[in-house]
Amino acid sequence: QKEVEQDPGPLSVPEGAIVSLNCTYSNSAFQYFMWYRQYSRKGPELLMYTYSSGNKEDGRFTAQVDKSSKYISLFIRDSQPSDSATYLCAMSAGAGSYQLTFGKGTKLSVIP
Amino acid sequence: NAGVTQTPKFQVLKTGQSMTLQCAQDMNHNSMYWYRQDPGMGLRLIYYSASEGTTDKGEVPNGYNVSRLNKREFSLRLESAAPSQTSVYFCASSVGSVSGYTFGSGTRLTVV
Repeated sequence: QKEVEQDPGPLSVPEGAIVSLNCTYSNSAFQYFMWYRQYSRKGPELLMYTYSSGNKEDGRFTAQVDKSSKYISLFIRDSQPSDSATYLCAMSAGAGSYQLTFGKGTKLSVIP
Repeated sequence: NAGVTQTPKFQVLKTGQSMTLQCAQDMNHNSMYWYRQDPGMGLRLIYYSASEGTTDKGEVPNGYNVSRLNKREFSLRLESAAPSQTSVYFCASSVGSVSGYTFGSGTRLTVV
C-alpha cells in the first residue's frame, strides 16, 4: 500500500458545482496536512494548511482532516473555471521531518 | 517578490553530459528542497537542506549531488545525465520542517 493515495481523476464539473477532493494515507505519524494547487506547466502553490484533525476554511475552500480514518478532503464551493488545475495533497510527520509526502494529484476541470 | 527562482527553465542534454540546476530564494527561508515530478509518479524528493551548511538525501538521490551555497542558493548537479533523469525539476523552500513550501516554476530537462 502506498503511503498516500489520491484518485488521479480527471474530474470534470460544471461551473458553480461543489468539488470534493480526497486523499487517504497509511502513516499514523502524519500530523500536518496540506493541499497544493498546480496549474499546467507551473510549480505547485500552497492552498491550505492544517494541523491534526478538524476543519479549516478559507474563502471558497474548506480542508477537513479525519485522523481516525486517515482521510483528508478539500472542498471547493461555487467552483470557477479558474479552479481548473491539478490538486495535490501532502502530509508530514512534523517537526524535524523534512520529507513531505505528496499524493499524485487529481486533475480538475471546471466547465463554464 | 520573486520567491523561488530556478534556472534554466528548459534544457536538453545528451546522455553522459553534466549540468547544474540553479535555485535561489529571497524569502529568508531556512530550508530548501529539490523534487522531481514525473507522470504517474508524483513529486519525489531528491535532496533537501534543512538549514545552511547541511544537506540530506531524499527518496531518489542516486545520480544527483547538491550544494547549499549559502542561505539563498541551493544547486542540483547531474554528473552524468541518463535518459531516466528526464523530468521536471522543482526547487522549493520553507521556513522550517512544519511550514508550507514555496515552489519555483520548474526546469524541464530532457536527456537524449
